[in-house]
Amino acid sequence: EVQLVESGGGLVQPGRSLKLSCLASGFTFSNYGMNWIRQAPGKGLEWVASISSSSSYIYYADTVKGRFTISRDNAKNTLYLQMTSLRSEDTALYYCARRPPFDYWGQGVMVTVSS
Amino acid sequence: DVVLTQTPPTLSATIGQSVSISCRSSQSLLHSNGNTYLHWLLQRPGQSPQLLIYLVSRLESGVPNRFSGSGSGTDFTLKISGVEAEDLGVYYCVQGTHAPNTFGAGTKLELK
Repeated sequence: EVQLVESGGGLVQPGRSLKLSCLASGFTFSNYGMNWIRQAPGKGLEWVASISSSSSYIYYADTVKGRFTISRDNAKNTLYLQMTSLRSEDTALYYCARRPPFDYWGQGVMVTVSS
Repeated sequence: DVVLTQTPPTLSATIGQSVSISCRSSQSLLHSNGNTYLHWLLQRPGQSPQLLIYLVSRLESGVPNRFSGSGSGTDFTLKISGVEAEDLGVYYCVQGTHAPNTFGAGTKLELK
């Protein structure tokens, strides 16, 4: 059974940093591109970043470019999102999702940016 | 970025009724490789999104065949032939033809 389990969320002050993790199981993680997608409270879905299976290709939404870094450790079956210079508008539920067409999603982890 | 416009924003239906949701793109979603990377997701209340339809019309494994997708170019439709209670939630279209991936704003399906 494919499982994606996010962790690392929480309450953080504006300007600070936070690192999210997504532990994958039930499939060969190293064969799949992965994504971070977020959902602000009561809002729709926003793609944040993607990384190819071997980390050769990495893309970011303009809203996070230069502040967020996506990475992966295929030996640990784990996807990461390093978030710096956090803003109130980054407050959201962050999901990891497997490749387009986003066929598997985690349960999400909440990030709240507030003083 | 590609803008996906979903209509209607809210849909009220009775159990057993057939409904359709439209997703219109600001650009053609036909990729140069011949594929059209337009997919449909359902987010039930309090749950993570799940994939229903990929590549316009391909039914994801385990998804009931009352769901169907159609369309081409810039106009796409998700149809539910006989709404069931478990179908309630927010439906999103998402495109992957043009970077970055973009989502429609969602269509909320409610019980009438």
